Amino acid sequence: AQSVTQPDIHITVSEGASLELRCNYSYGATPYLFWYVQSPGQGLQLLLKYFSGDTLVQGIKGFEAEFKRSQSSFNLRKPSVHWSDAAEYFCAVGAKSGGYNKLIFGAGTRLAVHP
Amino acid sequence: ETGVTQTPRHLVMGMTNKKSLKCEQHLGHNAMYWYKQSAKKPLELMFVYNFKEQTENNSVPSRFSPECPNSSHLFLHLHTLQPEDSALYLCASSQVLADTYEQYFGPGTRLTVT
Repeated sequence: AQSVTQPDIHITVSEGASLELRCNYSYGATPYLFWYVQSPGQGLQLLLKYFSGDTLVQGIKGFEAEFKRSQSSFNLRKPSVHWSDAAEYFCAVGAKSGGYNKLIFGAGTRLAVHP
Repeated sequence: ETGVTQTPRHLVMGMTNKKSLKCEQHLGHNAMYWYKQSAKKPLELMFVYNFKEQTENNSVPSRFSPECPNSSHLFLHLHTLQPEDSALYLCASSQVLADTYEQYFGPGTRLTVT
């Protein structure tokens, strides 16, 4: 069965430091992978997605993610974190179920940013 | 309005009340979803509508009743809720094509059951 694992529940970084959030997936075929961000009290906003092609994908807000098939990973990175990046981040994989498309989400990683 | 909107943003209701959550998408999509997000729990997919037809009901208690009158609107009717139903309820939409999976989310309704 498809699944997504985000090993880190909480991460704290200093403003200006680099960031890497980990995501591992389990999926038989070529995965469709996503990162979403959720600010407190808000819905989920799509940061970036990977379907095929270049394994390094660029997203909004200066984020990027790299797909590594050999490691079943899709880690999210940002070279310099801003205080406004404090939020919860969700990795997801697309899957088919009963004739419709759905997303399987990881449990999320909560990012805190110290000034 | 753009994207996916949800009303109300906050709702407090007693266990014997009946209320409804509303979701509207302005993206021209043909699939809509209800999720429940509780503290310290993963996102739970509750209902899926493709082309106004319900295609998924993830063992959701009957006190939650979805309605999808057209591809732009989705409702979640609530009655006789329990305190454990307090959560953030998120609506999402997507365009159902063979190889697309991305969903666009509304801001959610924060529900408190007293």
